[in-house]
Amino acid sequence: AQTVTQSQPEMSVQEAETVTLSCTYDTSENNYYLFWYKQPPSRQMILVIRQEAYKQQNATENRFSVNFQKAAKSFSLKISDSQLGDTAMYFCASAGGTSYGKLTFGQGTILTVHP
Amino acid sequence: KAGVTQTPRYLIKTRGQQVTLSCSPISGHRSVSWYQQTPGQGLQFLFEYFSETQRNKGNFPGRFSGRQFSNSRSEMNVSTLELGDSALYLCASSLDGPGGEQYFGPGTRLTVT
Repeated sequence: AQTVTQSQPEMSVQEAETVTLSCTYDTSENNYYLFWYKQPPSRQMILVIRQEAYKQQNATENRFSVNFQKAAKSFSLKISDSQLGDTAMYFCASAGGTSYGKLTFGQGTILTVHP
Repeated sequence: KAGVTQTPRYLIKTRGQQVTLSCSPISGHRSVSWYQQTPGQGLQFLFEYFSETQRNKGNFPGRFSGRQFSNSRSEMNVSTLELGDSALYLCASSLDGPGGEQYFGPGTRLTVT
């Protein structure tokens, strides 16, 4: 079984600044995958970044990077140079290596970027 | 490539009725997953289909069912609708394999009155 916890219901940041969203998870599987998804007001879920648990190197996608701490079961998302278009709900999610097609989501963090 | 499409986008039904939602995956994607999103319960996994077979199922009552066709298009059905079934239903497709990136459709907003 997998559980994902996001302890920050809401966060805000000024445009061009950096913000970090927290996520912790628990899993009984040795092989698993972690994701951050963004859901703007349009409700369209967009994949932001993906991390394979067996890879120690932190994933990076342009302004988005993660800090993956496997022993602590922590998977935080850092957004650099925040833009107004980053305003959205952000979901942390996990998928077990043997659990096809099933993502377990956290409760989400509403991020507001202020001009 | 065209993205995941879902129809209809909005739906209003009354208690006791049944409803069918449709999802067309990205071309070449054979795995289709369904999720229910509500303010109270968040995002919950309903089921996943691959090659017309249900491979994984979440903890939902039997009123929720689905199927997948040979062209990978999928439908989900909810029978005997309850007020609590009001939600945004999201469909996602992916290439096969564990940990595959899922690409989501725009969702179907179902309101049960």
